Amino acid sequence: QAVLTQPSSLSASPGASASLTCTLRSGINVGTYRIYWYQQKPGSPPQYLLRYKSDSDKQQGSGVPSRFSGSKDASANAGILLISGLQSEDEADYYCMIWHSSAGWVFGGGTKLTVL
Amino acid sequence: QLQLQESGPGLVKPSETLSLTCTVSGGSISSSSYYWGWIRQPPGKGLEWIGSIYYSGSTYYNPSLKSRVTISVDTSKNQFSLKLSSVTAADTAVYYCARRRTGGPIDYWGQGTLVTVSS
Repeated sequence: QAVLTQPSSLSASPGASASLTCTLRSGINVGTYRIYWYQQKPGSPPQYLLRYKSDSDKQQGSGVPSRFSGSKDASANAGILLISGLQSEDEADYYCMIWHSSAGWVFGGGTKLTVL
Repeated sequence: QLQLQESGPGLVKPSETLSLTCTVSGGSISSSSYYWGWIRQPPGKGLEWIGSIYYSGSTYYNPSLKSRVTISVDTSKNQFSLKLSSVTAADTAVYYCARRRTGGPIDYWGQGTLVTVSS
C-alpha cells in the first residue's frame, strides 16, 4: 500500500471549489505530518503551493493566491488541498508530499485536475 | 535568484550507469539550511524521490533505489551529482534536481532533463 494516496483525477467547473485529498497509509497519523502541496503544469517542474499541518503550523507559498488553502480530515487520515473560485489556469497535476523518517521525501501519485 | 541546472547524457544503455550533475547558481550549496536532492518522473507518471544530500556529505536514499544510487556533493564547484547503476527501461524519466529547506518545502527545482534508457 502506498504511503500517500491521491485520486487520479478530478473535474470541476470554473468558479466552483475543488477539494483534493491525500490519504496517508494506515498506521501513519496525518496529525503528525506537515503536508506539502505542489502544482505541476505540462513541461514544467512542480511549483510549491503551500504547507499544512495545523491552523497554527501552515505556510502559503510565495505568490500563491489565498484561494489555495490546506486542511486535514483526521477521521479520514487525509490532507486536503482546497481550491476555491476555480480558474482555467488551475488545470494541472497536483501532488502532495511528506517527509517520512524511514521513507524520505514521499510523494502521492498525483491528481489531474480538469476545469471544464 | 537561485537556479539549478541538470546536465548529463540524455541516452544511457541498459545495464550501464546513469550520471547527472546539478549546478547551483545564485546561492551556496554549503548552506546549513538546505538539503539537495534528485527526483524523477517517468513519462506520464508521478514524482519519485531518489535521494538527498546535505552539504556535509550526509546522504539519504529512497529505500527502493538505495542499492543502485550514489549522490555526492562538490562544494568547490557548487554542484551535486547522481549516479544510478544497472539501469533498465524503467529508469527512463525526467530527472529533476531540487533544494529542500530544512523542515520545509522543496522550494527550488531545476527544469529537468529527460534520460532515456535504450540500446
